[in-house]
Amino acid sequence: EAGVVQSPRYKIIEKKQPVAFWCNPISGHNTLYWYRQNLGQGPELLIRYENEEAVDDSQLPKDRFSAERLKGVDSTLKIQPAELGDSAVYLCASSLGLAGSTDTQYFGPGTRLTVL
Amino acid sequence: KNEVEQSPQNLTAQEGEFITINCSYSVGISALHWLQQHPGGGIVSLFMLSSGKKKHGRLIATINIQEKHSSLHITASHPRDSAVYICAVGLAGNQFYFGTGTSLTVIP
Repeated sequence: EAGVVQSPRYKIIEKKQPVAFWCNPISGHNTLYWYRQNLGQGPELLIRYENEEAVDDSQLPKDRFSAERLKGVDSTLKIQPAELGDSAVYLCASSLGLAGSTDTQYFGPGTRLTVL
Repeated sequence: KNEVEQSPQNLTAQEGEFITINCSYSVGISALHWLQQHPGGGIVSLFMLSSGKKKHGRLIATINIQEKHSSLHITASHPRDSAVYICAVGLAGNQFYFGTGTSLTVIP
């Protein structure tokens, strides 16, 4: 079975440009997470979906970041416009969503964003 | 304020050595997760603990709920164990806090 798929794996853009990341979770996983990971740091949650509903977006910088999970499957995270400080690895993870924080999360390979 | 603290930040060991990575947390948790991240790679879940101890191959994870502390042990370490090990705590409401990770290098 395929794991969590993310694309692109790498993205280099100039500041003020828009960028979008795509995530396809493991089939049947109801919960989807977007994290940002800066170098030398642990992941930080940006947004969590339960099916198609965003249930925790308190850490999402809403002035420039947006996300959607249409039909409760794939998800897209967008930044517009990108700033230098947005350079990081953006990770998508999914879980079954049956056991809350005791669920195992399965992580995608991440998208490494470099903003010049 | 960091809800999750890991130590050490960096660790270098000789192949075959016994390794311990520590995680302390300051919040009430539902579960604690140990994760492994290889350079340029994704994150893999190693253990989920809510009490006691779990063992998988050469990896052992323990948790002391009263002391809010967990340890990850690697016996007979091998260069392929070189990775970043991340402790994450799960709270009620499906909230997670992650540690900054421990970078382990095992030298042949």
